[in-house]
Amino acid sequence: TAGITQAPTSQILAAGRSMTLRCTQDMRHNAMYWYRQDLGLGLRLIHYSNTAGTTGKGEVPDGYSVSRANTDDFPLTLASAVPSQTSVYFCASRDTSGVTDTQYFGPGTRLTVL
Amino acid sequence: GQNIDQPTEMTATEGAIVQINCTYQTSGFNGLFWYQQHAGEAPTFLSYNVLDGLEEKGRFSSFLSRSKGYSYLLLKELQMKDSASYLCAVVDSNYQLIWGAGTKLIIKP
Repeated sequence: TAGITQAPTSQILAAGRSMTLRCTQDMRHNAMYWYRQDLGLGLRLIHYSNTAGTTGKGEVPDGYSVSRANTDDFPLTLASAVPSQTSVYFCASRDTSGVTDTQYFGPGTRLTVL
Repeated sequence: GQNIDQPTEMTATEGAIVQINCTYQTSGFNGLFWYQQHAGEAPTFLSYNVLDGLEEKGRFSSFLSRSKGYSYLLLKELQMKDSASYLCAVVDSNYQLIWGAGTKLIIKP
């Protein structure tokens, strides 16, 4: 089972450039999430989508945008990268069919903005 | 505001038992998760508590007291592979996860 895949695995990006982080899941989960993880801080929610066609802002949405054209894909775009966006980005999906609503994570994208 | 507190780092000995605590103050409560995260990897699900009490799953157990805003993860018979960060997360009133910063557990032989 592939689960959730993210691409690229890592990237070095010049400040001011744009970039799209890709996320694809094959579990048919309705809800998907983008988090960033920085040293000493908990995972922080950037954007989320409860179902295809809808998106919402999380705790730290500024400088990021998302789209959810279908169930499987949830790309995250940085329109004009800044060094403070250097982080590890995790995509997750949530199984809403069971009792626990567990979130499952992709392997992450390590982004460095110079 | 919403807050999840857990120790930054703990050290334990192989074969021993360790308890990782988590206290929380959130807008609403709809459950508490524990995840394990090895260095350079994604978080993986360990346990979920929504009712008070102890949930046991092999060498790992998780406890919840909603009235105290408190949970702990208990790891028994520690193995070197248990060296990882352990993340506590609370489901708030909007059904979003609020995450603690994680506890780095170091296991020594």
